[in-house]
Amino acid sequence: GQQVMQIPQYQHVQEGEDFTTYCNSSTTLSNIQWYKQRPGGHPVFLIQLVKSGEVKKQKRLTFQFGEAKKNSSLHITATQTTDVGTYFCVNTGGFKTIFGAGTRLFVKA
Amino acid sequence: NAGVMQNPRHLVRRRGQEARLRCSPMKGHSHVYWYRQLPEEGLKFMVYLQKENIIDESGMPKERFSAEFPKEGPSILRIQQVVRGDSAAYFCASSPPAGVALFFGEGSRLTVL
Repeated sequence: GQQVMQIPQYQHVQEGEDFTTYCNSSTTLSNIQWYKQRPGGHPVFLIQLVKSGEVKKQKRLTFQFGEAKKNSSLHITATQTTDVGTYFCVNTGGFKTIFGAGTRLFVKA
Repeated sequence: NAGVMQNPRHLVRRRGQEARLRCSPMKGHSHVYWYRQLPEEGLKFMVYLQKENIIDESGMPKERFSAEFPKEGPSILRIQQVVRGDSAAYFCASSPPAGVALFFGEGSRLTVL
């Protein structure tokens, strides 16, 4: 699998602000997965996107897969302190499941 | 249904000793992955195994590291003659044969003195 590039590396927000992390690939992705890892914890699966242009929502989280299937984004509306952690986008093409470097989110109450 | 179980959760070794990390996948899961994570960094793929087979070990150092997933029992990641640079969190994940998501264990944190 091709590694995906994720930006930003870090993001500090005030509680209540929105947050977006972006994932980009130079090649077309078969699908993209998103995981969240709390500080000191382990990664937890959030969602998988497969279709071109797909948009999925989970409460305050909105996930998008680009039309060309080369990029994806995760948007959190009105962040809460419980959103703190690192968000990883993951390319699952082939045998390997390759994690991006992740975006670490800090939320100030 | 128990989740992915990893042990030990914490392991301290002196340079030159061996470290053995164990992973019991979720019930019904036949695919196991091992990842290494350094502090403040992402997860680095190490190896992907199915029962009795290593499918992809391209992320695992050729020397000192080995992994197995026997027919019976847990998957084991073995690090021989540990060095300080091996200090990291090692995460195991499992998935069912036609699974979508990876289910992670809580990790084994190795400290090499």
